[in-house]
Amino acid sequence: DAGITQSPRHKVTETGTPVTLRCHQTENHRYMYWYRQDPGHGLRLIHYSYGVKDTDKGEVSDGYSVSRSKTEDFLLTLESATSSQTSVYFCAISGTSGGQETQYFGPGTRLLVL
Amino acid sequence: AQSVTQPDIHITVSEGASLELRCNYSYGATPYLFWYVQSPGQGLQLLLKYFSGDTLVQGIKGFEAEFKRSQSSFNLRKPSVHWSDAAEYFCAVGGVTGNQFYFGTGTSLTVIP
Repeated sequence: DAGITQSPRHKVTETGTPVTLRCHQTENHRYMYWYRQDPGHGLRLIHYSYGVKDTDKGEVSDGYSVSRSKTEDFLLTLESATSSQTSVYFCAISGTSGGQETQYFGPGTRLLVL
Repeated sequence: AQSVTQPDIHITVSEGASLELRCNYSYGATPYLFWYVQSPGQGLQLLLKYFSGDTLVQGIKGFEAEFKRSQSSFNLRKPSVHWSDAAEYFCAVGGVTGNQFYFGTGTSLTVIP
């Protein structure tokens, strides 16, 4: 399994509070991603990073920001959490093995916004 | 625009029966195609992938998938399903512009004894 950890694994917070989720990789891969998973929607890309300090928006980026100050860490911040951001958040990395770009996932973080 | 469609939201099969999960994609060139499996409360695990060459690819846990360019499909198959195969299955197209990956909405598999 790819070396990807997410913290925290579970979090309960209140509406209006900031929340930061951390993704850490030990694979030295260039690309890192944050997705959210909701019933009926599958996986939706929030933000991704293609290098240190290089990030871009995905399809559902409103209300989220990211930072990547080191290759191994990719942080997702909910600036002011809302109930609609209750979800399961997955971090992923992609790397090349024999010229084949493949994406690997972390274990997920379950976030409940009350 | 790239997209992935999994027409079946939920499938139920008997243990020992064969399985086929459907996946159709939209992409202008030959895509990179993937199948992932997700057990309850877990992350996504890569089952298999197609990049080029032989259109029938083998994966882990006895799964295989066939790329059919003419049908824009990448269906997942298993000849004999085990109870432990009950999970959510996601098809994805990836490695495209910006190294982004696009996922279908998933197919939930129930296996009955």
